[in-house]
Amino acid sequence: SQTIHQWPATLVQPVGSPLSLECTVEGTSNPNLYWYRQAAGRGLQLLFYSVGIGQISSEVPQNLSASRPQDRQFILSSKKLLLSDSGFYLCAWSFAYSTDTQYFGPGTRLTVL
Amino acid sequence: AQSVAQPEDQVNVAEGNPLTVKCTYSVSGNPYLFWYVQYPNRGLQFLLKYITGDNLVKGSYGFEAEFNKSQTSFHLKKPSALVSDSALYFCAVRDRTPGGATNKLIFGTGTLLAVQP
Repeated sequence: SQTIHQWPATLVQPVGSPLSLECTVEGTSNPNLYWYRQAAGRGLQLLFYSVGIGQISSEVPQNLSASRPQDRQFILSSKKLLLSDSGFYLCAWSFAYSTDTQYFGPGTRLTVL
Repeated sequence: AQSVAQPEDQVNVAEGNPLTVKCTYSVSGNPYLFWYVQYPNRGLQFLLKYITGDNLVKGSYGFEAEFNKSQTSFHLKKPSALVSDSALYFCAVRDRTPGGATNKLIFGTGTLLAVQP
């Protein structure tokens, strides 16, 4: 079976500091990978998605970036955090080239002070 | 444009009563529809999906959803609500925008279900 991990679970960072959030998937190969942000406990905003190593598509222009250095590893980064970057960050995966479901990780709560 | 709407911010129901959480969609072609549940400070959990076939889809934890093409709806239902069903529920539709990436989902704004004991 497949599992998805995210860390850290919670993070408090000062404005202007860098960010690195990590997501890994086990039990499958070549998954599609996604980063979402959920602000104010409601709406989900798709930030990035990836269909393979080194292939990243950005949905929303911002000071965040994503990388996929390995098949099942997806990293969300920032060089300088803004207050508006606070939120709940969710990673998800799905099987490639199908209509199948997205499966979500446990999330990272980021607070920028 | 592809979209999904959840018209109710919150639904209140007494334990043991049936519940319905509403979802309507707008998409070109045949829709692929999903329901997810989110408990506080947790990731989204998949409940059920409609791709094709029987209009009544059964999912996890006793939930089911009815696909209605003429009304472009995909309402989530459960015959008897439990207090533990209290959570945030999201409807989603697969993005069918031409040239779009595989498996992108468009989510509704979520409906908070509160089940009173």
